[in-house]
Amino acid sequence: GDSVTQMEGPVTLSEEAFLTINCTYTATGYPSLFWYVQYPGEGLQLLLKATKADDKGSNKGFEATYRKETTSFHLEKGSVQVSDSAVYFCALGGANSKLTFGKGITLSVRP
Amino acid sequence: GAGVSQSPSNKVTEKGKDVELRCDPISGHTALYWYRQRLGQGLEFLIYFQGNSAPDKSGLPSDRFSAERTGESVSTLTIQRTQQEDSAVYLCASSLNGRHGNEQFFGPGTRLTVL
Repeated sequence: GDSVTQMEGPVTLSEEAFLTINCTYTATGYPSLFWYVQYPGEGLQLLLKATKADDKGSNKGFEATYRKETTSFHLEKGSVQVSDSAVYFCALGGANSKLTFGKGITLSVRP
Repeated sequence: GAGVSQSPSNKVTEKGKDVELRCDPISGHTALYWYRQRLGQGLEFLIYFQGNSAPDKSGLPSDRFSAERTGESVSTLTIQRTQQEDSAVYLCASSLNGRHGNEQFFGPGTRLTVL
C-alpha cells in the first residue's frame, strides 16, 4: 500500500539557516504530493503541492520538487524565520485523493 | 467564508460508552474525509464520502466505527463501545471534489479521551 516516510525530528535551527526536511514515498500509480503545516494552536493547512513528476510546488519561500526517480518530495527553504516554527507533514494523495501522511516533524527556529 | 467546523472540540468519555463526532464541511464541497491522529503519529485515513456515491470505508479500524453523511452536508462519525486505544484527535477535511491533486481543508479536530 501507499506509505510516506519523513526524517526523524525534532529539528532546531537558528533564524536565517537553510532548511531541508526529507520525505520519500511508496505508491502505486501517479500520486499527488503535499506538504501540510500546523502552526501552534492552529489547524492543519496546505503549504504546497505538486501533482505530477518534476513539478515544483512553492509557497512562503518553501519549495519541494516531485522526483519520481527517487520517489522523494523534500521540503526546502533558504532562510527560515521564527514564524516558521511548526509541525510539517508530508502527504501523498492516492485513490479518491485520500491522503497518506508521514509522522510529521517539529521545527523550532530560534532568534 | 466559513471553514470546516467540528464539534465538540474536546470529548472525555468512559471506556465502553458510545460517542458521536460532528463535521460541517465547507459549503459546496462534495468530498469529505475523516482522519485520526494518535499521539506521536501521522494522520490515518478513516473514511471518504463523495457526493451520493458509496463511501470508501477502507480505513475504518473496526466495526465499532461508522460514519454517515447526509447529501453534501454534515457528517457524523460514531464510535461504539469506546476503548482506550481510540483516544486520538479526529480530523475532518473537505475538498471541492475528490479529484487528483485537490486541496483538502481541515477542521480544528475533536480531541477524544477515553478513560
